Amino acid sequence: EDQVTQSPEALRLQEGESSSLNCSYTVSGLRGLFWYRQDPGKGPEFLFTLYSAGEEKEKERLKATLTKKESFLHITAPKPEDSATYLCAVHPSRDYKLSFGAGTTVTVRA
Amino acid sequence: GAVVSQHPSRVICKSGTSVKIECRSLDFQATTMFWYRQFPKKSLMLMATSNEGSKATYEQGVEKDKFLINHASLTLSTLTVTSAHPEDSSFYICSAGPMLGEKLFFGSGTQLSVL
Repeated sequence: EDQVTQSPEALRLQEGESSSLNCSYTVSGLRGLFWYRQDPGKGPEFLFTLYSAGEEKEKERLKATLTKKESFLHITAPKPEDSATYLCAVHPSRDYKLSFGAGTTVTVRA
Repeated sequence: GAVVSQHPSRVICKSGTSVKIECRSLDFQATTMFWYRQFPKKSLMLMATSNEGSKATYEQGVEKDKFLINHASLTLSTLTVTSAHPEDSSFYICSAGPMLGEKLFFGSGTQLSVL
């Protein structure tokens, strides 16, 4: 059974204080790993897809990296508007279903 | 980018009533849509896969008679929570994508509260 574990559960940062979120996974054949951002009371918003170990993708202050066992989402010099829950999901190669982690809730204080 | 519209965003109903939630793909055709349920601080749990023109595929433990799914067209899927009870209160989210599994777009979610 696929498993996705995100840590920490919550992260409080001062504006400008860079940090990283972790997503550890076990899956029988990885087709892709996804990062989403979710604001309270809203659906997830797509951020990145990573397909193979060593791959990196960037978008503004966010950078996602992937190894064979985990993925990191680095937030560089965060701003209050980066406050959200960040979700990680894996897509196994055997079917179309995504397995999600419980998320990391990031709060950035001005 | 692709957009998925979901409504209502919030619904409050009495126990025993039925509630319908709509999910529309606005700028692409979706032969497959997905319905998720999310509890506070928990993962999104896949409930069912909605297939246009055929029966939905339900995940283990999800009551198909309780959660009726209809995918009547390539742009519309509906989830009806029948005879709702307080334990059905949750955040329901649909998703769809132009490329199955590669990049899913999510609706804005529906917060269901059953009194």
